[in-house]
Amino acid sequence: GAVVSQHPSWVICKSGTSVKIECRSLDFQATTMFWYRQFPKQSLMLMATSNEGSKATYEQGVEKDKFLINHASLTLSTLTVTSAHPEDSSFYICSALVGTQYFGPGTRLLVL
Amino acid sequence: DAKTTQPTSMDCAEGRAANLPCNHSTISGNEYVYWYRQIHSQGPQYIIHGLKNNETNEMASLIITEDRKSSTLILPHATLRDTAVYYCIVRNRDDKIIFGKGTRLHILP
Repeated sequence: GAVVSQHPSWVICKSGTSVKIECRSLDFQATTMFWYRQFPKQSLMLMATSNEGSKATYEQGVEKDKFLINHASLTLSTLTVTSAHPEDSSFYICSALVGTQYFGPGTRLLVL
Repeated sequence: DAKTTQPTSMDCAEGRAANLPCNHSTISGNEYVYWYRQIHSQGPQYIIHGLKNNETNEMASLIITEDRKSSTLILPHATLRDTAVYYCIVRNRDDKIIFGKGTRLHILP
């Protein structure tokens, strides 16, 4: 149990376009999901907390207008990277909270 | 959340027990000790957690000292697939996880 999926697993896009990443809890419901970003050889950095039916809470230094989060149901949260630039290239990982946090497999984004 | 201190890296021979230490001297009474690991290019994997008592599951054992200021994660028979970065995290249930640098465990053939 406690499986979290992400889609897509990797994506390449042109600079200036927007990219949407989905995070789903497959066998449980989660009121709260989290989004992390990880650059090469670094630890995971928390970007935001996503709560079903309400606005996301962003960590300091994370632009909420650039990283749009929607948590429309108890099994789905989405992260949209708007007007992506090469510096947004990273490994994006979501997690779902049900007492313990369970993490998705990650989405690798490359912006050209 | 309380801060944790872990060694930067450790080596362990394949087939031997891997003992990963973690210090969390400022842990408060209602905070749990969680362990996750991240294998290269994958999302973190939950391993085990505990509050006061030692815990064991199919993956590992968690030994928490009586004063709760430190703990040890034990992988009883390490394999090459256990090579990963291991994160010790102290948190209240339902709190967000803030990752530190973790311990990079190398399993040597």
